[in-house]
Amino acid sequence: QKEVEQDPGPLSVPEGAIVSLNCTYSNSAFQYFMWYRQYSRKGPELLMYTYSSGNKEDGRFTAQVDKSSKYISLFIRDSQPSDSATYLCASKTSYDKVIFGPGTSLSVIP
Amino acid sequence: EADIYQTPRYLVIGTGKKITLECSQTMGHDKMYWYQQDPGMELHLIHYSYGVNSTEKGDLSSESTVSRIRTEHFPLTLESARPSHTSQYLCASAAGDEQFFGPGTRLTVL
Repeated sequence: QKEVEQDPGPLSVPEGAIVSLNCTYSNSAFQYFMWYRQYSRKGPELLMYTYSSGNKEDGRFTAQVDKSSKYISLFIRDSQPSDSATYLCASKTSYDKVIFGPGTSLSVIP
Repeated sequence: EADIYQTPRYLVIGTGKKITLECSQTMGHDKMYWYQQDPGMELHLIHYSYGVNSTEKGDLSSESTVSRIRTEHFPLTLESARPSHTSQYLCASAAGDEQFFGPGTRLTVL
């Protein structure tokens, strides 16, 4: 079983839609959770960083972590064509390296 | 401007050639990483370094080697390239948990 799993998509939504991207993880020791955004032919860039369970909001983006179900979510409100990218979730323990999921490809259609 | 650079961006070479992928960062980060990324797959850590003269192999078995003689420079070398080495190689640096990625090198071995 992979430590971090996510549906690769592709996911296609109309502009303005609310997008929900999800990940599951298997290591109960994970305490730090991240979402990276990767545009085509670019390296990933950090979008959201959270510690333990709860919600974190940054503009149109909300990251949610439910440690009881080992479930990580990223919500994008009022999605824009510029949000079209691959979204990678990632997790780590307090002392180990970051483990990345395979990414979900998102297309926002104007 | 603080950044992380990778050269070349694209490389097509024949089997058996020796190649070096360059990675440099101007952020003064101690931690640096090399990842391999294939389409639809998670990032696989192949090498990392926590400082000058410190290098470790990652989770994915790799026939490549790295060196860290200067803080800002973390080159990756393949002594004899094979078609199985065809992939995207991403370099990253970090001060804490946030990793900053370079644009990647797309390597094709014929």
